[in-house]
Amino acid sequence: AQKVTQAQTEISVVEKEDVTLDCVYETRDTTYYLFWYKQPPSGELVFLIRRNSFDEQNEISGRYSWNFQKSTSSFNFTITASQVVDSAVYFCALSENNQGGKLIFGQGTELSVKP
Amino acid sequence: DVKVTQSSRYLVKRTGEKVFLECVQDMDHENMFWYRQDPGLGLRLIYFSYDVKMKEKGDIPEGYSVSREKKERFSLILESASTNQTSMYLCASSTLAGGPDGELFFGEGSRLTVL
Repeated sequence: AQKVTQAQTEISVVEKEDVTLDCVYETRDTTYYLFWYKQPPSGELVFLIRRNSFDEQNEISGRYSWNFQKSTSSFNFTITASQVVDSAVYFCALSENNQGGKLIFGQGTELSVKP
Repeated sequence: DVKVTQSSRYLVKRTGEKVFLECVQDMDHENMFWYRQDPGLGLRLIYFSYDVKMKEKGDIPEGYSVSREKKERFSLILESASTNQTSMYLCASSTLAGGPDGELFFGEGSRLTVL
């Protein structure tokens, strides 16, 4: 069965520190998709990135980077030089090829960046 | 600007009341979803719909029903609210054309308290 685990419930850092949010997934499919969403205090989840199972290239977008490793079933998210505006709950999610867009979410990691 | 709108941000209801949570999207999306968000559990899928008048059970459908009479509107119904349904409810939509890696667009959430 599919499952997404975010073992870190809460992380607190000081501004400008780098922080990595862990995500481990389980799936029997060979074709699947991984996502990260950000939920700021306003409540609305915001899409950050998606990756398909055939593309293990790491991605960087500004201060954000993602490390996808099929060998360890992990899709970790790093914020470099964190800022107070990065404070939010971050969710990792999995979609399988035959599930028509349904996402299975992890438990979420609450990141608090202090000035 | 694309939008998923949930009718109520905050509701307080009494045990046994019938509760309607409304969700409207303006993106002509085929897929619509209702998730429930609880601390430590992440987002869990309640029901989803791929088309008008179609509905599929998610992972936790017990105690809920849904209605999709028009493409843009997806309603979640609690026939007889109970205290264990106190939660944040999130509506989302996506386009079928996006396939299994399609991005979900979320509303801001409806926080329901059942007394």
